[in-house]
Amino acid sequence: DGGITQSPKYLFRKEGQNVTLSCEQNLNHDAMYWYRQDPGQGLRLIYYSQIVNDFQKGDIAEGYSVSREKKESFPLTVTSAQKNPTAFYLCASSIPLSSGANVLTFGAGSRLTVL
Amino acid sequence: AQKITQTQPGMFVQEKEAVTLDCTYDTSDPSYGLFWYKQPSSGEMIFLIYQGSYDQQNATEGRYSLNFQKARKSANLVISASQLGDSAMYFCAMREGRNTGNQFYFGTGTSLTVIP
Repeated sequence: DGGITQSPKYLFRKEGQNVTLSCEQNLNHDAMYWYRQDPGQGLRLIYYSQIVNDFQKGDIAEGYSVSREKKESFPLTVTSAQKNPTAFYLCASSIPLSSGANVLTFGAGSRLTVL
Repeated sequence: AQKITQTQPGMFVQEKEAVTLDCTYDTSDPSYGLFWYKQPSSGEMIFLIYQGSYDQQNATEGRYSLNFQKARKSANLVISASQLGDSAMYFCAMREGRNTGNQFYFGTGTSLTVIP
């Protein structure tokens, strides 16, 4: 089935370590997104990419990096510069509805905990 | 200013009753889309319903309907005949303009609990 696969589902990291969260889609979507979710808050945009080899910073890009070398893949690296990385991370791609509007479709998420 | 405001942190509804989840938005763009998502405890965000700013009629999808009041800038979600499986977090979101890259803005969510 087509969809977005995020891995790992749970990840533990020691302070000072970089970690990479994987996001793969087989939907042939051009646009992909990374969101961060904290308890009691909505989703905040980290990075997004509209096409291969191009990406833009979202509202909270500091301490994160991404790459988009293939259409299917949009990995997110949480660097040691991110001061409070413990959160739930959601990857999404943009799918057009029959009306022409674009709606986000999400992966199952990755929960990162810094020890 | 917040783009999306959800003022109900938590809501309770009796099984088989209807419930309305509130959402107000702020934009000066005449072209925008409004979305509702459901997030069960598993974490995945599930798309429920969409309303375009130029749509004349309120959107409906099965038991979900969107009460769109453009002048008031509100886009409330109505769930009819609530089921136990409807217990989840619900997020309202907005996207401005028509560019694929335009970002989506999310509210802080409403936790819905359906009581048997």
